[in-house]
Amino acid sequence: EAGVAQSPRYKIIEKRQSVAFWCNPISGHATLYWYQQILGQGPKLLIQFQNNGVVDDSQLPKDRFSAERLKGVDSTLKIQPAKLEDSAVYLCASHELVRVDTIYFGEGSWLTVV
Amino acid sequence: SQQGEEDPQALSIQEGENATMNCSYKTSINNLQWYRQNSGRGLVHLILIRSNEREKHSGRLRVTLDTSKKSSSLLITASRAADTASYFCATDASADGLTFGKGTHLIIQP
Repeated sequence: EAGVAQSPRYKIIEKRQSVAFWCNPISGHATLYWYQQILGQGPKLLIQFQNNGVVDDSQLPKDRFSAERLKGVDSTLKIQPAKLEDSAVYLCASHELVRVDTIYFGEGSWLTVV
Repeated sequence: SQQGEEDPQALSIQEGENATMNCSYKTSINNLQWYRQNSGRGLVHLILIRSNEREKHSGRLRVTLDTSKKSSSLLITASRAADTASYFCATDASADGLTFGKGTHLIIQP
């Protein structure tokens, strides 16, 4: 079974530039999450989708971050404009609709803002 | 905000010894999960314990849960060099995804 795919794996951008990350969850997984993990800390939930609808985006900095999952499958997370403090790993995770006890994470997209 | 808090933040032991990590949380939960993260990699699910369970085993892993104290522990027996990683507890308190702690960085010295 293919895992959660994320790209790019690594990205370095200057502050005020924009960046987009892509996630393809495991086939059939209705629920998709984006987490932000700053070095030395645990992951923090940014947004949760169920199919193509947003369940929770209360911790998403909406002035600069946006995310979509238009067809209920893959998802993109965009940051525009980036700040130095956005340097982190962006993790995508997914699970089947009723199997919240089995969540699969991608390898993450590492962002460095300089 | 991070609900779970792991203790200790860092742990270094000799190969073959047992490693114990603790996690405390603040609110009622549906279940608590432990994840491992190797350096530069994503999170790997290790074990889940439900709020009505007190102890669970999986291979060399043993997890306990005390809901009265809002705490959990992860024991890794007969540690190996490959166990070197960061370990996170994550609580599932609602339908809004998992809330992670800051993690325990475990180093197994050969």
